[in-house]
Amino acid sequence: TAGITQAPTSQILAAGRSMTLRCTQDMRHNAMYWYRQDLGLGLRLIHYSNTAGTTGKGEVPDGYSVSRANTDDFPLTLASAVPSQTSVYFCASSPSSGSTGELFFGEGSRLTVL
Amino acid sequence: GQNIDQPTEMTATEGAIVQINCTYQTSGFNGLFWYQQHAGEAPTFLSYNVLDGLEEKGRFSSFLSRSKGYSYLLLKELQMKDSASYLCAVRDSNYQLIWGAGTKLIIKP
Repeated sequence: TAGITQAPTSQILAAGRSMTLRCTQDMRHNAMYWYRQDLGLGLRLIHYSNTAGTTGKGEVPDGYSVSRANTDDFPLTLASAVPSQTSVYFCASSPSSGSTGELFFGEGSRLTVL
Repeated sequence: GQNIDQPTEMTATEGAIVQINCTYQTSGFNGLFWYQQHAGEAPTFLSYNVLDGLEEKGRFSSFLSRSKGYSYLLLKELQMKDSASYLCAVRDSNYQLIWGAGTKLIIKP
C-alpha cells in the first residue's frame, strides 16, 4: 500500500531557481496539505486543499503555490527559491478537513536552497 | 495569537513511565492530536481527544482537560523504540491544525 508518495526525497537547489515538489496519494482522500518542518518549530501549514479543484493558504504561503487538478495529486511549487525555504517539506492527507481521523504523511522532501 | 507549549526534551529509563505535557491557547477547539515522529521520518498518528478525560490505547494514553487547555501523553513500559519526538496538535475553530514544536524523548537503558 503506497499511501502518500513524495518526490524528490531530497534536493539541493540554487537560489532563484524554481522547483516543484510532487505529492500523490492513493487513498482517495479529499483533503491534502503541505507543511514545512524546521528545527525548533512546529509543523507550519503552507497550503491546503479541502477537495479537488480548491486550494487555500495556510500560515506561511508566501513564495509557494499549489494546484489540485484531481483528487490524487497536490504539487507544491517554489517559483524562485530563497535560502529561507531550506526545510523539510511534508505532504499529508485526510479523508476530509473536518474528520476526526488522522493525517497521513508522506516521507518528506528535504530541500536545501543555496 | 495561537500557541502550543510542550517541553523541548525529556529523558526516561527503559521500562519506566513518562508523561509528556501539552498546554494550548487557540482560537476555538475541535480536538487534540498526538503524533510520534522518529528522527528522519514522517509523523504518525497516536491519539485523538475531543472530550475531557483519558483515552487509553495499549501502552499509550492521552488525557484532555478543555477547561485548563491541557493535555498529556502517558507512555508506560517504555521501550528503546519509543525514543522519538512527540508532537501535540490542536484543531482550531477553522479546522486547521496548530502544532507544537514537539518533545524529544530520550530513552536510556
